[in-house]
Amino acid sequence: NAGVMQNPRHLVRRRGQEARLRCSPMKGHSHVYWYRQLPEEGLKFMVYLQKENIIDESGMPKERFSAEFPKEGPSILRIQQVVRGDSAAYFCASSPGGGVREQYFGPGTRLTVT
Amino acid sequence: EDQVTQSPEALRLQEGESSSLNCSYTVSGLRGLFWYRQDPGKGPEFLFTLYSAGEEKEKERLKATLTKKESFLHITAPKPEDSATYLCAVQPAQGSGTYKYIFGTGTRLKVLA
Repeated sequence: NAGVMQNPRHLVRRRGQEARLRCSPMKGHSHVYWYRQLPEEGLKFMVYLQKENIIDESGMPKERFSAEFPKEGPSILRIQQVVRGDSAAYFCASSPGGGVREQYFGPGTRLTVT
Repeated sequence: EDQVTQSPEALRLQEGESSSLNCSYTVSGLRGLFWYRQDPGKGPEFLFTLYSAGEEKEKERLKATLTKKESFLHITAPKPEDSATYLCAVQPAQGSGTYKYIFGTGTRLKVLA
C-alpha cells in the first residue's frame, strides 16, 4: 500500500542545468499538486494537475517551470536553466478527487543548485 | 487576499504540559481547514480535516477545533515523540474548481523529557 513516491530524493544541479522531479501518486489518486518549500518559509502552491490536464498553474513562475501529468507514468515538474534561488524542497501531493479534499504528501525532492 | 497565520512560531513544553497552537485565517470562502505534522526532512503527514465552525476532531493526544476565524490544535499531556512542526492549511472555496491549499508557516513544537 505505497504512499506518494517522489524521486529523486536529493538532486544537485549546477546553474543553467535542467532539473526533472518525478511524482507517482497514491494508487487510485488522479489529482496531483506540487508545492515548494523554501528555507524558513511555508509551503507554497505551484500547480494542480489531473491526468493530461493542468487545472491551476497560478503558483508557477512564468518562465523556466513546467509540469505535466501524462496518461501513463508519473507527474513531472521540470525546471529549466536552474538558478540558486530554485534551491528548495519540492513536495508532491495527491488526492482521489471526487469531493475528497485531503491531500497526501510525498517525502519531497530536495534540490540544491550550485 | 487569502492568508493563514500560525502562532506561536516555536513552542517548548515539558513532557505532560498541555498547550494549544493557533491558526487564524482570512479566506473568501472555506472549503476545508487541514492540520498536518511535518518531521525534519520528511513530507507533511495528514492529521485532521475540519469543514465548518463548531466542528472538533480528536486523535490520541491531539484535538482540533474550528471557529469562523481560527482553528486550535490542543495537545494534551504531550510526549517527546510529539515534537515536530505542525502545519495548518486552508482550502478556499473558489468557483474555478481548484483545490489548492494555502499553508501557514507552521509552529515548531519541542517537547522535553
